[in-house]
Amino acid sequence: QVQLQESGPGLVKPSQTLSLTCTVSGGSISSGIYYWSWIRQPPGKGLEWIGYIYYSGSTYYNPSLKSRLTMSVDTSKNQFSLKLSSVTAADTAVYYCARTVNEFLTVNSWGQGTLVTVSS
Amino acid sequence: DIVMTQTPLSSPVTLGQPASISCTSSQSLVHSDGNTYLSWLQQRPGQPPRLLIYKISNRFSGVPDRFSGSGAGTDFTLKISRVEAEDVGIYYCMEATQFPRITFGGGTKVEIK
Repeated sequence: QVQLQESGPGLVKPSQTLSLTCTVSGGSISSGIYYWSWIRQPPGKGLEWIGYIYYSGSTYYNPSLKSRLTMSVDTSKNQFSLKLSSVTAADTAVYYCARTVNEFLTVNSWGQGTLVTVSS
Repeated sequence: DIVMTQTPLSSPVTLGQPASISCTSSQSLVHSDGNTYLSWLQQRPGQPPRLLIYKISNRFSGVPDRFSGSGAGTDFTLKISRVEAEDVGIYYCMEATQFPRITFGGGTKVEIK
């Protein structure tokens, strides 16, 4: 059974870059039947899709975040990563990495999530 | 952009009684391939979301059969036939009609009376 685990700093200063990595275990990130996703949830609020990366490196970003967002994948480490630049307090959220299955276009596996707080 | 509206915002339910959550989209969710990629997620307190239902009515692996999904076009429903204590949480609908972009509903909180 696949497991996803987010890692990265829990505190980022305003205007700096938020960086997170998701490590996938129990399955290959190179499987062509999945997209690898980032989704976030501000405290007490709903879910917001951030973007996807495919194992080939193709990316799809939420247009509202696109100018600040970079995703990458390292198939040798079975990891994918997120960088969000110029962060503000509005980027404070629990960040989830997740797996989207192509055939059903749904998110069928989630990491536990990591809280990232933007504060000086 | 597709907007997903869930009602009610909160649903107090007696244990053993049914619950129903509605999700309405601002436009038809029928994909160009003929499928409707509408899913339901459950988020228990302090936990990540969990997939319950995909493509309107298909239960994901391990999901109890008291959960069922229905609907078409712009109107969709998640039903819990008999609410159990472990069903407390927030439920989200999610659409992927304009994949790779996906949109979530605002969530419905299910709590025990």
